Formats: sequence, structure tokens, C-alpha cells
Amino acid sequence: DIQMTQSPPSLSASVGDRVTITCRASQSIGNYLNWYQQTPGKAPKLLLYSASRLQSGVPSTFSGSGSETDFTLTINSLQLEDFATYFCQQSYGTPYTFGQGTKVEMK
Amino acid sequence: QLQLQESGSGLVKPAQTLSLTCAVSGGSISRGGFSWNWIRQPPGKGLEWIGNIDHDGGTSYSPSLGSRVTISLDKLRNQFSLKLNSVTATDTAVYFCARSSYFYSSRPYGQYWYFDLWGRGALVTVSS
Repeated sequence: DIQMTQSPPSLSASVGDRVTITCRASQSIGNYLNWYQQTPGKAPKLLLYSASRLQSGVPSTFSGSGSETDFTLTINSLQLEDFATYFCQQSYGTPYTFGQGTKVEMK
Repeated sequence: QLQLQESGSGLVKPAQTLSLTCAVSGGSISRGGFSWNWIRQPPGKGLEWIGNIDHDGGTSYSPSLGSRVTISLDKLRNQFSLKLNSVTATDTAVYFCARSSYFYSSRPYGQYWYFDLWGRGALVTVSS
């Protein structure tokens, strides 16, 4: 299985901050990388696919970059509704695997 | 607008079979170009992909769950189902059904799959 490792596991930030979350794959996965946002008690929500393509309806404050093994999710100007847990997921091959999550908390 | 809704038993005894159904509304499950997935999340933990089925009934399962898993499609009822045999306490989780779609790119070439629609999730507890 392809292992996905996110860092940091959690971070504290304030409204208006720029936040960066990284995701590393245990092998090269090209651009087969997706990002999701999850708030407590809810299902995950797709933010970006193919590493950098913004899902319809997702604010442009979210952006993604990277390829092969190293990827980054950036949130520019953090909003109240952005305090959540973020997961990366590889779709290079089955079994599809997720990172362990990064919780963005209010400072 | 397509929606997914999980249903099934919320409490299962150890060694028995967990059964869940995902009802799809607002669109046909028979339409090609999508896969229908089960994903679970133990309380306070991360996400684990269980497996999926496509519109033709082709399936793919996570090796970690081995032969315990069966996913099936019911085109008449526009739903798909999950059965997980011989459950233990470690199978306690919120179970999500999700649709996967793909983006086709010629540069770089590939079909980029992602989970774009999710059900709300169903908590299943394994306990005697």
C-alpha cells in the first residue's frame, strides 16, 4: 500500500493567516493526489483533485501544489469556516489511502 | 442534485455480519463514468477506503479487509450495499458511502479519480 504522511498533525492559526499543510507519499504518485476538508460530525468535502485543480464551488483561497511524492495544501487568508481537519488521499492505485489528517485549530 | 444516504444496523454483535445500504437519489447508479465506494472512519481516527463497485458490477476491495468484504449493486432500487463478515470491535466506525468521479488529462496523461459526493455517514458499533 502507498503510505501518505501529513504534517503537522495539528496547527494553531488565526483568522487571516496563511496556512500550509504538507503531504508526502511513500512512492511517486504523479499528480494523483486529492485534498479533503472535514468538520466534526460531517462527511469529508473535496477541495482539490489532481494535486492542484480546485473543485467547483471551493473558494480560491485554497490552492494545492506538488507532484511525485511531495504535496502542499495552502489556505490563504484563513476564514472561520476553515477551522477543520484536512486529509490528503492518493488515487494512484488501489487500495486508495489517506493521510492521517491535519487539524487546524483556532489560536 | 445527486445525494447519497446510508442506512443499516447501528449495532452488530462480534462475529456477525455488518450490512449497510447506500441509496442514491437524483441520478442513476447505472450511468457509466463513476464508481461507488465505501469508506470508514473509526471514532477520532482517519479515513480508510474499503472498496468500490462500478456501474457494470466490477469490484475492487482493500486487501486489508480481505475476503470479509462484499459490495453489491442493485440497479432496480438505485442503491449499493456493503457486507462485512466476522466483525470485531475494531470494525466500529462511521461508514460513509461516496461516489468517485474522474478528471481526464492529456498532459500529464491520466484519469484522476476523486471522491466528490459523500453520504452523511452511519455509525456502526460492534459490541455484544
